[in-house]
Amino acid sequence: AQKITQTQPGMFVQEKEAVTLDCTYDTSDQSYGLFWYKQPSSGEMIFLIYQGSYDEQNATEGRYSLNFQKARKSANLVISASQLGDSAMYFCAMRDKETSYDKVIFGPGTSLSVIP
Amino acid sequence: NAGVTQTPKFQVLKTGQSMTLQCAQDMNHNSMYWYRQDPGMGLRLIYYSASEGTTDKGEVPNGYNVSRLNKREFSLRLESAAPSQTSVYFCASSATRTGRDGYTFGSGTRLTVV
Repeated sequence: AQKITQTQPGMFVQEKEAVTLDCTYDTSDQSYGLFWYKQPSSGEMIFLIYQGSYDEQNATEGRYSLNFQKARKSANLVISASQLGDSAMYFCAMRDKETSYDKVIFGPGTSLSVIP
Repeated sequence: NAGVTQTPKFQVLKTGQSMTLQCAQDMNHNSMYWYRQDPGMGLRLIYYSASEGTTDKGEVPNGYNVSRLNKREFSLRLESAAPSQTSVYFCASSATRTGRDGYTFGSGTRLTVV
């Protein structure tokens, strides 16, 4: 079965420093998509970045980049120049195409705290 | 503002009561989803609708029913609420099957069943 693992329940980073949030996944599908979402304390889910399994380059969106290592089945999120507003829960997710319907599977999340 | 609108934002039910969570999107998206979020477990898919007129079960469908009323609206019904259904419920929609643009989520409904 498909699975997303996020081994860091909580992370701390100094403001203006870079931080990497780990994500590993398990799938036997050759074609899949990987996502990262941010959930601030207000509760909404915010889409950050997407990486397709056949994309030749790592995805980037502003201060967010995805370190995609297909052979290792990892899709780590890198946040550069952390800001106080980056304090939130971060969820790694994968689009599952093996079942008869489309769905996105979410990991348990990593709580990031940015320290002034 | 365009997006996904969920109502209500908060609800307290007694065990055995029923209720319907409403969701509407105005982005002309084909696919809509209902997730529940529990501490330490991320989001789990309850039901999914690939297009108007179709619905499918997700990972945790027991105790729930859904209706895709039209392209805009996708409701979630709890027929007989149980304390195990205490959770935060999110509705989401997506424009494309590839999902490269990600899902757009509603603001969530915090449901407590006592």
